Amino acid sequence: DAMVIQNPRYQVTQFGKPVTLSCSQTLNHNVMYWYQQKSSQAPKLLFHYYDKDFNNEADTPDNFQSRRPNTSFCFLDIRSPGLGDAAMYLCATRGQGRQPQHFGDGTRLSIL
Amino acid sequence: AQSVTQPDIHITVSEGASLELRCNYSYGATPYLFWYVQSPGQGLQLLLKYFSGDTLVQGIKGFEAEFKRSQSSFNLRKPSVHWSDAAEYFCALGGSQGNLIFGKGTKLSVKP
Repeated sequence: DAMVIQNPRYQVTQFGKPVTLSCSQTLNHNVMYWYQQKSSQAPKLLFHYYDKDFNNEADTPDNFQSRRPNTSFCFLDIRSPGLGDAAMYLCATRGQGRQPQHFGDGTRLSIL
Repeated sequence: AQSVTQPDIHITVSEGASLELRCNYSYGATPYLFWYVQSPGQGLQLLLKYFSGDTLVQGIKGFEAEFKRSQSSFNLRKPSVHWSDAAEYFCALGGSQGNLIFGKGTKLSVKP
């Protein structure tokens, strides 16, 4: 089945130690999104790619970066994670036009 | 301004009872509206979407939603709730840039 796959499902890192989360898709969608979701809150958009064009939300901290080497893969890099970055990180994709977004199962990030 | 309001933070219903989750939106043009469900520790799953046409939209898992332009509402309904429906439900508005504007979510608990 075509889908959005996030790895790993659970990630533990140390305070200040860089971490990378990955997302892959078999939907061949041209738009990919990264969201941060904290407990009992709605997802918060960090940035998205429209093809290779990167779009950063104005309030996304500089500590968060992203790479999209090809259509299928997108990475979220957190350069120096702080305790406040512990959250669920969701990847989503969308096809052309006003289509719904399709979400992966997320990566739960813990910071020690 | 584009916004989504889900007035109920938490709802508890008995198994077998009917369910209605409320959603109101603010948008200047014809809205694209979605309902997503999120089980604990999982990503968001699309239940249904409204783009245009028939104002009563059928979704997966026995859910339906009715778009009412006069009330700026898109309420989610299910005639008979199952224990497996316990989850968080998010109403979302498709923004003009293809982004999603989420409500704060409604947590559904189901009593035996």
